[in-house]
Amino acid sequence: EAGVAQSPRYKIIEKRQSVAFWCNPISGHATLYWYQQILGQGPKLLIQFQNNGVVDDSQLPKDRFSAERLKGVDSTLKIQPAKLEDSAVYLCASSLDRGHIQYFGAGTRLSVL
Amino acid sequence: GENVEQHPSTLSVQEGDSAVIKCTYSDSASNYFPWYKQELGKRPQLIIDIRSNVGEKKDQRIAVTLNKTAKHFSLHITETQPEDSAVYFCAAMRGGADGLTFGKGTHLIIQP
Repeated sequence: EAGVAQSPRYKIIEKRQSVAFWCNPISGHATLYWYQQILGQGPKLLIQFQNNGVVDDSQLPKDRFSAERLKGVDSTLKIQPAKLEDSAVYLCASSLDRGHIQYFGAGTRLSVL
Repeated sequence: GENVEQHPSTLSVQEGDSAVIKCTYSDSASNYFPWYKQELGKRPQLIIDIRSNVGEKKDQRIAVTLNKTAKHFSLHITETQPEDSAVYFCAAMRGGADGLTFGKGTHLIIQP
């Protein structure tokens, strides 16, 4: 089966610019996650969706980050405006349902200059 | 919230020897503990997981042990091979919440 797809793979922007990332989960997976992985650290959960509803966004910096999954399939994560400390790999993961194994995409590497 | 500590940060072993990576967690409500392997520039891939109703699980050269009382779990890799070189992450999931809390990772180096 196809894995979790993410695009773009790389993005370089200047601080205060905006950027958006896209994720297509494994077909049939109801639960979708966005994680932020800063260099040398483990992934950190930003937001979790169940179908098109938000389950947990307690660690999402809502003043600059937003995410949506309008039709319960694809998702986009947006940063506006970006800061230097947002430089990281943004990983999308999906699972069949809550509590099931999470499968990760290859990530989008963001560099903020 | 949950906090996961992982040690060591770097582990170098001779090819054919065993490697052990240890993690501790803080939230006694955590009940699911996966291990992911991440090669440079690639996605994290699940290699083994364990739930809190089991003390040990094995899959060929890889095993995971869980001590709920002490709140720690370990990854054991036997007969290490060059392709085992990667960064390994442990994680914990609290019952009723699905986001994973990850450790900081262990860079495993297999010396030929």
